[in-house]
Amino acid sequence: DAGVIQSPRHEVTEMGQEVTLRCKPISGHDYLFWYRQTMMRGLELLIYFNNNVPIDDSGMPEDRFSAKMPNASFSTLKIQPSEPRDSAVYFCASSFDLSTGRESYEQYFGPGTRLTVT
Amino acid sequence: AQRVTQPEKLLSVFKGAPVELKCNYSYSGSPELFWYVQYSRQRLQLLLRHISRESIKGFTADLNKGETSFHLKKPFAQEEDSAMYYCALTGNTGKLIFGQGTTLQVKP
Repeated sequence: DAGVIQSPRHEVTEMGQEVTLRCKPISGHDYLFWYRQTMMRGLELLIYFNNNVPIDDSGMPEDRFSAKMPNASFSTLKIQPSEPRDSAVYFCASSFDLSTGRESYEQYFGPGTRLTVT
Repeated sequence: AQRVTQPEKLLSVFKGAPVELKCNYSYSGSPELFWYVQYSRQRLQLLLRHISRESIKGFTADLNKGETSFHLKKPFAQEEDSAMYYCALTGNTGKLIFGQGTTLQVKP
């Protein structure tokens, strides 16, 4: 398995533009998480899904941020309009559901998308 | 409230010195604890989980429920251990709560 896949790896955009980040979780995983990492705030959980359903979006900073998971193998995080303060590394992660018999909620992370908004 | 605290933002040691990265947590039930490591510009990867009770790359961590701690230790630091280390916990929701992270710098 290639692990969690994210695209693009780097994105540079101008303020006001729409940005879409993409994630493909590990096949068979039931949970998908979106995180944002900055020097000031560390790792922040933005939203997570279980079986494609959003469970907790309390970390989404503003209405400018939205996330979807149309099927078990794909998720998007969209920022519209983007602002310079959105510049960060955005990570996607996936994990198993314990109800499947797994013993651990270990999360597997993608390589991240480094977003720069100028 | 569920919380993970890593009191040190930066820990700097010399090669061969012992290392202890501190992690304290607050959780009302029985959490699962993890240490994740992030080498420069790489993805986060799992280093240890308390249920495995294993040693990875010479690192160990013991869950102390009395002190609500899960400190990460290594007797002799190596330069390749330089990285950002995150302590994290999860309860029964699958959601990980991360500490702020500690940057470990191992000097030659």
